[in-house]
Amino acid sequence: DAGVTQSPTHLIKTRGQQVTLRCSPKSGHDTVSWYQQALGQGPQFIFQYYEEEERQRGNFPDRFSGHQFPNYSSELNVNALLLGDSALYLCASSSTGTGNSPLHFGNGTRLTVT
Amino acid sequence: GENVEQHPSTLSVQEGDSAVIKCTYSDSASNYFPWYKQELGKRPQLIIDIRSNVGEKKDQRIAVTLNKTAKHFSLHITETQPEDSAVYFCAARGGSNYKLTFGKGTLLTVNP
Repeated sequence: DAGVTQSPTHLIKTRGQQVTLRCSPKSGHDTVSWYQQALGQGPQFIFQYYEEEERQRGNFPDRFSGHQFPNYSSELNVNALLLGDSALYLCASSSTGTGNSPLHFGNGTRLTVT
Repeated sequence: GENVEQHPSTLSVQEGDSAVIKCTYSDSASNYFPWYKQELGKRPQLIIDIRSNVGEKKDQRIAVTLNKTAKHFSLHITETQPEDSAVYFCAARGGSNYKLTFGKGTLLTVNP
């Protein structure tokens, strides 16, 4: 049973560039959440997608956007990258049908902005 | 919004001792409280969770307690082993919220 998979594992970008991160949820899950984890901090909620719609958004600027596809996979896009966007980006999947379903995290994408 | 405070930030114990990590939350509507373990360079992994209709839950050497009145919950690890060394995060979710709000983490070191 495949867990949550994310790509790429590492990425180096320059300030001002744009980046797209990808996530495939765990088999049987229909909901994808994205979190940003800065070094030495807990994950911070960016947004959650369900039924191809953004269901809830955290305190992140509009430069952060996302998408969910009919197969439940998801993308996170960040425009106009800033140095402060350097972090581990975690995708987590869950099943909305079971209410408070536990989140299962992927291994993350380590983004470095220079 | 929800705020989760976690203490201590670092904890060092001898192998075989117990470890306790405490968290407080601000939103009285929160009803789901998971704990995650994150080893260096790896994904956060769910180790135990508790819902607000339960006061305590145990799974082998790990237990979590919840005090809804005081709005705090704790992770207890007994008979610690070196492989328990990791960063532990508490989190809270509830009400109309879909998001998990995490604490800042506790670095647990178990010395052989």
